[in-house]
Amino acid sequence: QLVLTQSPSASASLGASVKLTCTLSSGHSRNAIAWHQQQSEKGPRFLMKVNSDGSHTKGDGIPDRFSGSSSGAERYLTISSLQSEDEADYYCQTWGVGIRLFGGGTKLTVL
Amino acid sequence: QVQLVQSGVEVKKPGASVKVSCKASGYIFINYGISWVRQAPGQGPEWMGWISGYNGNTKNIQKFQGRVIMTTDTSTSTAHMELRSLTSDDTAVYYCARDGSAEYGDSLDYWGQGTLVTVSS
Repeated sequence: QLVLTQSPSASASLGASVKLTCTLSSGHSRNAIAWHQQQSEKGPRFLMKVNSDGSHTKGDGIPDRFSGSSSGAERYLTISSLQSEDEADYYCQTWGVGIRLFGGGTKLTVL
Repeated sequence: QVQLVQSGVEVKKPGASVKVSCKASGYIFINYGISWVRQAPGQGPEWMGWISGYNGNTKNIQKFQGRVIMTTDTSTSTAHMELRSLTSDDTAVYYCARDGSAEYGDSLDYWGQGTLVTVSS
């Protein structure tokens, strides 16, 4: 069964870097995923698509501070030079025939 | 630029139906699909279903089988999602998002602004 697992919360200091993880369930380690950001009281915003080989394609206007990578069944979102507006919920998402699936989300707090 | 603009706030009574529209612009509508996603208060996103912009084929999850109708109007590049037999559990913000053209899908790379649907007696 396809499942995406994310840590519920993460925190990092202003100006620092943070790496969020999304783990694909067994048997699905080659799936691509997407990362979405949702700031408080706003709708989701597509950040990037991350492939199993670590290559990634960012959405319109996404700053260079955001990057993606992969290792095995894990997909990562790294945010460098953290800014206050990066405080948000981050969801990973994947897909297949007849299914689109979201992870439970990681709430990022910028200290 | 790609835009998805949704219809406005809805307040419905239990048992009623709601229809949300999503007008696309800035891309060739028939080359992509549209997914519908809802988000209940304090919860994460929940995918409801997908419709092809090319031929109107649909996929939706078992939970909504028989209760959700997704359609498109290619002449206006608009997708519609109708949800029937509403209960208070359907209170949520409903989003459309651009998806892949085929049933396999792709990343949801553009989102509408969301439509708040409140179900209350």
